[in-house]
Amino acid sequence: GENVEQHPSTLSVQEGDSAVIKCTYSDSASNYFPWYKQELGKGPQLIIDIRSNVGEKKDQRIAVTLNKTAKHFSLHITETQPEDSAVYFCAANSHSGGYQKVTFGTGTKLQVIP
Amino acid sequence: GAGVSQSPSNKVTEKGKDVELRCDPISGHTALYWYRQRLGQGLEFLIYFQGNSAPDKSGLPSDRFSAERTGESVSTLTIQRTQQEDSAVYLCASWGGYPSHEQYFGPGTRLTVT
Repeated sequence: GENVEQHPSTLSVQEGDSAVIKCTYSDSASNYFPWYKQELGKGPQLIIDIRSNVGEKKDQRIAVTLNKTAKHFSLHITETQPEDSAVYFCAANSHSGGYQKVTFGTGTKLQVIP
Repeated sequence: GAGVSQSPSNKVTEKGKDVELRCDPISGHTALYWYRQRLGQGLEFLIYFQGNSAPDKSGLPSDRFSAERTGESVSTLTIQRTQQEDSAVYLCASWGGYPSHEQYFGPGTRLTVT
């Protein structure tokens, strides 16, 4: 089955600096890579995603890159703000016959210091 | 519209007792997932329902865990003879099918076994 590794487990940055979180996956059949943000006491919420036929996607201060050959993808947050503080999860999804199997990384706790 | 809801939000139970956790998915969503999240850890897949097909139970950690779903509506996760290591947040997510890939998470049920 799929295995997703995520690094770092914790990350502290000064407000305004950039944050980068990296993930690797093992199954070449995975073709969709979402990133979720989980705030304290809440369920994860999708913030950005990328499909396997795309190398990079950007949405305001958030960007995701994908290297299919190396099987790794990264989340980039620029100009970090205190409200970016949360736990971030990457995931790798595979699809077959209408089924979607999702494997999550272990999470990165991001702290943005004002 | 309404999102995914879960009940109860918190549950404290004594070791050895049975518990039932409930998930109400977004109306019309054909797929429903259960995950376990131990304190400070990632999301551990438990079970996946897709329409009327047989569920993917490959993530259930032991035969004390079971889940049911009636059609495309409510799901219940049952843990029998609870153990202290069952203490965690149990998250439910639903998916509406293609072309979207997004899972929508509920707020979770925090289970504490004393």
